[in-house]
Amino acid sequence: QKEVEQDPGPLSVPEGAIVSLNCTYSNSAFQYFMWYRQYSRKGPELLMYTYSSGNKEDGRFTAQVDKSSKYISLFIRDSQPSDSATYLCAMRGANAGKSTFGDGTTLTVKP
Amino acid sequence: DTAVSQTPKYLVTQMGNDKSIKCEQNLGHDTMYWYKQDSKKFLKIMFSYNNKELIINETVPNRFSPKSPDKAHLNLHINSLELGDSAVYFCASSQDSVQPQHFGDGTRLSIL
Repeated sequence: QKEVEQDPGPLSVPEGAIVSLNCTYSNSAFQYFMWYRQYSRKGPELLMYTYSSGNKEDGRFTAQVDKSSKYISLFIRDSQPSDSATYLCAMRGANAGKSTFGDGTTLTVKP
Repeated sequence: DTAVSQTPKYLVTQMGNDKSIKCEQNLGHDTMYWYKQDSKKFLKIMFSYNNKELIINETVPNRFSPKSPDKAHLNLHINSLELGDSAVYFCASSQDSVQPQHFGDGTRLSIL
């Protein structure tokens, strides 16, 4: 079983929709949680970085962490065609150094 | 200015050849990484260096040898390339080993 499982997608939504992207994990040592956005033929770009359980908001993006359920989510409000990309969750322990990534969810926002 | 830059962007070569990929970061970060992304988009760490010292080596075949001449550079040399080495290789850096990584745009390696 993988340490990090990400909803596989692909996901297709109309412009303006609220998008929910989700990951579950099994390693209780994970303490830092990240969401990356990856456009085609580009490297992953850091979107959100959180440490504790709860919500963190940045513009149209909200990252949610529930450590008790080992579940993280990324919400995108008022989705735009420019949000079309693959979204990767990542997480790591306090001293791990490396991050463990989910497999990615490909999102398409249709105008 | 590109923060993490890799060269070349594309590499097409034959099985059995030896090739190198170079990476440079201008962020002043102490830690650098090599990741491999397969066709299904799964990103897997290969190596990590902190201040030129190897700190992570994830059971990568000995044909892969990283080298860090200084903390701003991390190169990857691959000997005797195999078909299964075809992938996108990403370099990344972070301020230290606990901060999130910043990625380059990848080197697309195709083995014929």
